[in-house]
Amino acid sequence: QKEVEQNSGPLSVPEGAIASLNCTYSDRGSQSFFWYRQYSGKSPELIMSIYSNGDKEDGRFTAQLNKASQYVSLLIRDSQPSDSATYLCAVTLGAGNMLTFGGGTRLMVKP
Amino acid sequence: GAVVSQHPSWVICKSGTSVKIECRSLDFQATTMFWYRQFPKQSLMLMATSNEGSKATYEQGVEKDKFLINHASLTLSTLTVTSAHPEDSSFYICSARDSSGSSYNEQFFGPGTRLTVL
Repeated sequence: QKEVEQNSGPLSVPEGAIASLNCTYSDRGSQSFFWYRQYSGKSPELIMSIYSNGDKEDGRFTAQLNKASQYVSLLIRDSQPSDSATYLCAVTLGAGNMLTFGGGTRLMVKP
Repeated sequence: GAVVSQHPSWVICKSGTSVKIECRSLDFQATTMFWYRQFPKQSLMLMATSNEGSKATYEQGVEKDKFLINHASLTLSTLTVTSAHPEDSSFYICSARDSSGSSYNEQFFGPGTRLTVL
C-alpha cells in the first residue's frame, strides 16, 4: 500500500462545476497536509495547507481533512479551464518535515 | 507566498561534464531545502534533504557522490550533478521549507531546472 494515494484520473468536469479531488494516507501520525497544483512542464505550486480536522476555505478552494478516516480532499468550485492541471496531495508523515507526495490527479475542465 | 528561485532554468551539457544548479529562498530563511527529480509523466521523487550547515540526507538509491549537495547559507542550496550521463536528463526541482512558525512545514518550490545530457 502506498503511503499517499490518489486516483490518477483524468477527472473531467464541465466549466462551472465543482471538482472533487481525494487523497488517502496510511500514517495515522501525519500532522500536515497540503495540496499542490502542477501545470505540465512546471513545478508544483502550493494552493492549500490544512492541519486540523474540518474544512478550510480559500477563495474557490476548500480543503477537507478527516484524520479518523485518513483522507483529505480538495474541492474546486466554479471550475475554470485554467484549473486544468495535475493536483498533488502531500503529507508529512509522523512528526517529520519531509513531504510524501501522492501520484497526483489530472483534472481537465472542459469549456 | 514565499519565493524560491532556481538557476539555471534549463541546461544542455555533454556527457561526462558536471552541472551545478542553485536554489535560493528570496524572502525567507530556509534551514531545510529539498531536491526532487521528476521524469516525464511521473510524480516527484525526493532525492535528498539539505540542511544548512550539515551534510545532506540522501534517499535510498540516490548516489551521494554523484549528486553533491551544499547548503552553505540559510538562503542557498546547490546541487551538482557530477559526470552527467543521458539517463540523468530530467526536471530537477528544489523546495524550501519556511522556518517561521506561521507557515509551519509549508514547502515552496522553485521553478525547476530542465537538464538535458547529450
